[in-house]
Amino acid sequence: DQQVKQNSPSLSVQEGRISILNCDYTNSMFDYFLWYKKYPAEGPTFLISISSIKDKNEDGRFTVFLNKSAKHLSLHIVPSQPGDSAVYFCAASYNNNDMRFGAGTRLTVKP
Amino acid sequence: DTGVSQNPRHKITKRGQNVTFRCDPISEHNRLYWYRQTLGQGPEFLTYFQNEAQLEKSRLLSDRFSAERPKGSFSTLEIQRTEQGDSAMYLCASSLSSIKGYGYTFGSGTRLTVV
Repeated sequence: DQQVKQNSPSLSVQEGRISILNCDYTNSMFDYFLWYKKYPAEGPTFLISISSIKDKNEDGRFTVFLNKSAKHLSLHIVPSQPGDSAVYFCAASYNNNDMRFGAGTRLTVKP
Repeated sequence: DTGVSQNPRHKITKRGQNVTFRCDPISEHNRLYWYRQTLGQGPEFLTYFQNEAQLEKSRLLSDRFSAERPKGSFSTLEIQRTEQGDSAMYLCASSLSSIKGYGYTFGSGTRLTVV
């Protein structure tokens, strides 16, 4: 059961522009949503999260937006840098139990 | 603390053999998770422990798979009678149950290849 979906397998943007990564979910019980970043040969690294009671959380160049009515969240990276090139996973959890992940979006930031 | 450590990093085994992986979590973390990741997919939940208690197991965890965390510290994941479909990256992660929304700390994974 694919409760968390990332429908874009890849995204390419120019350095300095905005990167927008999207994620949809089906389980309305999820109370936390998270974004992870993964480089090759490494495990995923936690990036930013948002509680279901909020609609926006910002941390430096990274902002996550949550639209509960649409069951949709997005990660904005502004400005994008070549070092941001990685696979980004969206994840969700309920009541601090195990986390469910999307399939990931490979971001390439071109210099 | 150097983070979550997984051993071995790579394992090649013949079909039908048993394999065991080890995970050492961050010492103060009471929760430990096992995930499996195949090419082009996100991590899929297998099981998790709070201290030494195994609290949940996915239906992906067939009876050939067993996980333990005997003293609430390190954990082992054993796969018996391996099949080619078991080839994947096995990821371990740890967290504190008292903190919500912070995210897990993942290890670098053990890549299993069954030939």
